[in-house]
Amino acid sequence: NAGVTQTPKFQVLKTGQSMTLQCAQDMNHNSMYWYRQDPGMGLRLIYYSASEGTTDKGEVPNGYNVSRLNKREFSLRLESAAPSQTSVYFCASRRGTGSYEQYFGPGTRLTVT
Amino acid sequence: AQRVTQPEKLLSVFKGAPVELKCNYSYSGSPELFWYVQYSRQRLQLLLRHISRESIKGFTADLNKGETSFHLKKPFAQEEDSAMYYCALSTSGSGTYKYIFGTGTRLKVLA
Repeated sequence: NAGVTQTPKFQVLKTGQSMTLQCAQDMNHNSMYWYRQDPGMGLRLIYYSASEGTTDKGEVPNGYNVSRLNKREFSLRLESAAPSQTSVYFCASRRGTGSYEQYFGPGTRLTVT
Repeated sequence: AQRVTQPEKLLSVFKGAPVELKCNYSYSGSPELFWYVQYSRQRLQLLLRHISRESIKGFTADLNKGETSFHLKKPFAQEEDSAMYYCALSTSGSGTYKYIFGTGTRLKVLA
């Protein structure tokens, strides 16, 4: 099992460009999450999907949209990138009810110039 | 407000010395707390959960509800313990389950 995979690993965007970060898990988990990691800020939740077909805002959703394409995939879209969105983005998944552990992907390092 | 505070950005200790990484939380409900660790060039992974009350890689953490703390301790630090450590508080409601992470503490164990 690959666990949680993310693509791309690195990306450089110009201000105003758009892109989609992809995340997939092969553990048949119900819940999926997107975080951003910034120095001195820790991990902050952007959006999450408690189950297939549902998505909800986290702590810092502005400037982002998500799609839970199916049970395996949860994508994060930046419609008009801004320098403030320069960060490392992590996707995570969790099995569901009765399970507490989140499994993290390797991260995507995004730079917006 | 729900909040997790890790007051130290960086903690440097010598090999063999005791380690304590501090974590304080603010939560009105019954807290469920965790420690996650991120080794260099590796993924974030679960280290400890307070309910399990186990020792992982020599680390322990006790929930102190009176002091609203969940400090991570190890009696004798090893060089391989050098990593980024995050304290996390789980919140649940309406069937959802989310974490609130602290800002992290980088532990450096010096030879």
